[in-house]
Amino acid sequence: GAVVSQHPSWVICKSGTSVKIECRSLDFQATTMFWYRQFPKQSLMLMATSNEGSKATYEQGVEKDKFLINHASLTLSTLTVTSAHPEDSSFYICSANPGGIYNEQFFGPGTRLTVL
Amino acid sequence: KQEVTQIPAALSVPEGENLVLNCSFTDSAIYNLQWFRQDPGKGLTSLLLIQSSQREQTSGRLNASLDKSSGRSTLYIAASQPGDSATYLCAVRGSRDSNYQLIWGAGTKLIIKP
Repeated sequence: GAVVSQHPSWVICKSGTSVKIECRSLDFQATTMFWYRQFPKQSLMLMATSNEGSKATYEQGVEKDKFLINHASLTLSTLTVTSAHPEDSSFYICSANPGGIYNEQFFGPGTRLTVL
Repeated sequence: KQEVTQIPAALSVPEGENLVLNCSFTDSAIYNLQWFRQDPGKGLTSLLLIQSSQREQTSGRLNASLDKSSGRSTLYIAASQPGDSATYLCAVRGSRDSNYQLIWGAGTKLIIKP
């Protein structure tokens, strides 16, 4: 299957700092990538759809100024959590579909963010 | 509005048993359905994808079925092994009318006892 990587795998930061998470499609190009958030023992929650070369589409209730998404190339999307607070602590997972956005979806290994 | 339900929420069985995980959805107008596994603290691994026109897909000891009319999918795991222990997630992709959105079940946590 297609491979999606994320970096870092975990990060601990102080409240008020910004954290950038990278998502890369290693063996395919992805014009669209997805960012999810997962709380303990809960399923995934779609945060936003990242579109290469254009603005991301955010789901209702997700603050676009808080979660900045940049999809600068066909293999890289970044999520920046700005002025992070303890309530932003979560597991962030990115995803991409090599065969088009309607087909099989592959996920990165996730990034565990802990804000102190 | 599409809703996806997975039952049971947790399941514990002895090694070697065959087992079935269930996924039900309320709107039969789907594009496809995908089964994933998630290990603790890890991302998701795609197991099987069933297109709306298909009835089942097989990969090794895994078999997934789809009955659109009744809004059900099952994931059958044969000869279970401790390494199968994980949370299994079902995700339904809606049709064009719902912008092909992916709707998730809450998952079934599976424990295979050695």
